[in-house]
Amino acid sequence: GQSLEQPSEVTAVEGAIVQINCTYQTSGFYGLSWYQQHDGGAPTFLSYNGLDGLEETGRFSSFLSRSDSYGYLLLQELQMKDSASYFCAVRRRSSGSARQLTFGSGTQLTVLP
Amino acid sequence: GAVVSQHPSRVICKSGTSVKIECRSLDFQATTMFWYRQFPKQSLMLMATSNEGSKATYEQGVEKDKFLINHASLTLSTLTVTSAHPEDSSFYICSAVGVSGPSTIGANVLTFGAGSRLTVL
Repeated sequence: GQSLEQPSEVTAVEGAIVQINCTYQTSGFYGLSWYQQHDGGAPTFLSYNGLDGLEETGRFSSFLSRSDSYGYLLLQELQMKDSASYFCAVRRRSSGSARQLTFGSGTQLTVLP
Repeated sequence: GAVVSQHPSRVICKSGTSVKIECRSLDFQATTMFWYRQFPKQSLMLMATSNEGSKATYEQGVEKDKFLINHASLTLSTLTVTSAHPEDSSFYICSAVGVSGPSTIGANVLTFGAGSRLTVL
């Protein structure tokens, strides 16, 4: 099976930088994704790492170390609208759909003024 | 960009009735759709993988006779919660993976519908 661990809550102030870590255990690991979900809304894709290293997309960056089964999402210049839940998700190889994802438990980020 | 439409967004029903939720890919053909369930403040739990023209693949512990999935076309998948009970109250979200069409979905991106909040009284 698979398991992913991430902190349940993180609080930071506007303008700050926050890092949300994710460790995983899975067979057939293919890549690590990050999704954002506001209360009552749909998850939206933020970033994906298939290879080790850093991927940067605007204020958001994501990092992966496959040897450590570890990744993180880095949010810079925090804004109030960034308050949301952030999920890491593992993409694994399967005989069925290769895009099947298993989600972590989510990290609730609260940005304070 | 790719858009997935999900309907209804909210539904309230009496215990024992059945509820159908639709998931449509609006500008691409979705050969595969996923149905997730999410309880408040919890993660998204994959219920089943729906492939066009074939039977859905259910995750362990998900009753296929209770959660009926039909993927009759490349743009529509439906989830029917049969004989719903209060414990079935949850947020149900579909997501889709495309193959071709006017909008190309990145190989590593799932596009989610807006979700359907089911409340069973």
